[in-house]
Amino acid sequence: DTAVSQTPKYLVTQMGNDKSIKCEQNLGHDTMYWYKQDSKKFLKIMFSYNNKELIINETVPNRFSPKSPDKAHLNLHINSLELGDSAVYFCASSPQGAGEQFFGPGTRLTVL
Amino acid sequence: GEDVEQSLFLSVREGDSSVINCTYTDSSSTYLYWYKQEPGAGLQLLTYIFSNMDMKQDQRLTVLLNKKDKHLSLRIADTQTGDSAIYFCAEKYDAGNMLTFGGGTRLMVKP
Repeated sequence: DTAVSQTPKYLVTQMGNDKSIKCEQNLGHDTMYWYKQDSKKFLKIMFSYNNKELIINETVPNRFSPKSPDKAHLNLHINSLELGDSAVYFCASSPQGAGEQFFGPGTRLTVL
Repeated sequence: GEDVEQSLFLSVREGDSSVINCTYTDSSSTYLYWYKQEPGAGLQLLTYIFSNMDMKQDQRLTVLLNKKDKHLSLRIADTQTGDSAIYFCAEKYDAGNMLTFGGGTRLMVKP
């Protein structure tokens, strides 16, 4: 009964490649998010998305793009991967208008 | 801009109380949260408090909010070794329901 799931759990790739991380939630939530957690455990919001609007943290490079095929999924696509993209990426979801967010288990991305 | 700060580390003995502190700058925060992250896992919501409340208690957890000083604390009574984790406070601001997280406090519980 996983609420928010992500695949893959680990992703190791070369600089310059393009990769995607998938996220699915079965909670019926309206809003989904992507966060980046760096090696010092600092957690930073990247995107907030519902069916009406996408809000982008202005510090996120445009190589990162969220793609939502439907309400239950928000995938993260990354172009031209760089060493500094290595981090753990967390997906989360919340009901409309509520701040309680439910997190996925994370995807550890390593760029070589 | 929004800024949330926490001390990096706290060590307590099993059975003692733990108090984890957090300060924030955005006076328009509506909700404040405490999340727990165990090694290799995602974040688990522990509790939250509305900005018009001063205190919330939930079993071993007590949240205190001093809105004037923009100070939030989480008290864990009778701390157990299973409480060892990183604890994040977070504030909700209006744009897109997004949360701003503190840097996390690593709690170590010694037997």
